[in-house]
Amino acid sequence: SQQGEEDPQALSIQEGENATMNCSYKTSINNLQWYRQNSGRGLVHLILIRSNEREKHSGRLRVTLDTSKKSSSLLITASRAADTASYFCATDGTNAGKSTFGDGTTLTVKP
Amino acid sequence: GAGVSQSPSNKVTEKGKDVELRCDPISGHTALYWYRQSLGQGLEFLIYFQGNSAPDKSGLPSDRFSAERTGGSVSTLTIQRTQQEDSAVYLCASTPSQGVSEQYFGPGTRLTVT
Repeated sequence: SQQGEEDPQALSIQEGENATMNCSYKTSINNLQWYRQNSGRGLVHLILIRSNEREKHSGRLRVTLDTSKKSSSLLITASRAADTASYFCATDGTNAGKSTFGDGTTLTVKP
Repeated sequence: GAGVSQSPSNKVTEKGKDVELRCDPISGHTALYWYRQSLGQGLEFLIYFQGNSAPDKSGLPSDRFSAERTGGSVSTLTIQRTQQEDSAVYLCASTPSQGVSEQYFGPGTRLTVT
């Protein structure tokens, strides 16, 4: 089964509102990353948070990590129509090597 | 600089035919990944190459799937005797070195098996 699972599967909001997406995982991690995907093509890396960090910011993005609950959240503030995309979390386990991706949250921001 | 490139961008093939998908990683990146993504789904890990180490093939769904990486750079994913369920977008990603987590993705190859 997938290591990372996003919630909700789909989210629809109005431009200007905040969007929050959650990711849960099962095993210990070194870090967790969030990616964005437009139109079913390549993913773009957004932000990485290490297992010893609790919160990280990048522009309008805020990521939190709670290792005790094995969960992370991605907050996009003041959303724009251009934020419409699918968002995936990916976890790097404590063994070096591949990341494991969740199924993603599809975000629609209505203008 | 150039990013990860994949070719072809789209491939339509008949059931039973073999296909080869190509990935050119970013120059100097030692790690390379192949993923498969069905419509509306997440990424399914297929195979991982890291430098000269033996590849991690644990995600390959059947023995019809194989991949190689020549000279530590270009990689080819081969699907033999394609089936309709192989239809998906095949994504390639690379990272600068082992232990660096940020993956740089190519645009993908959309494979349709008719």
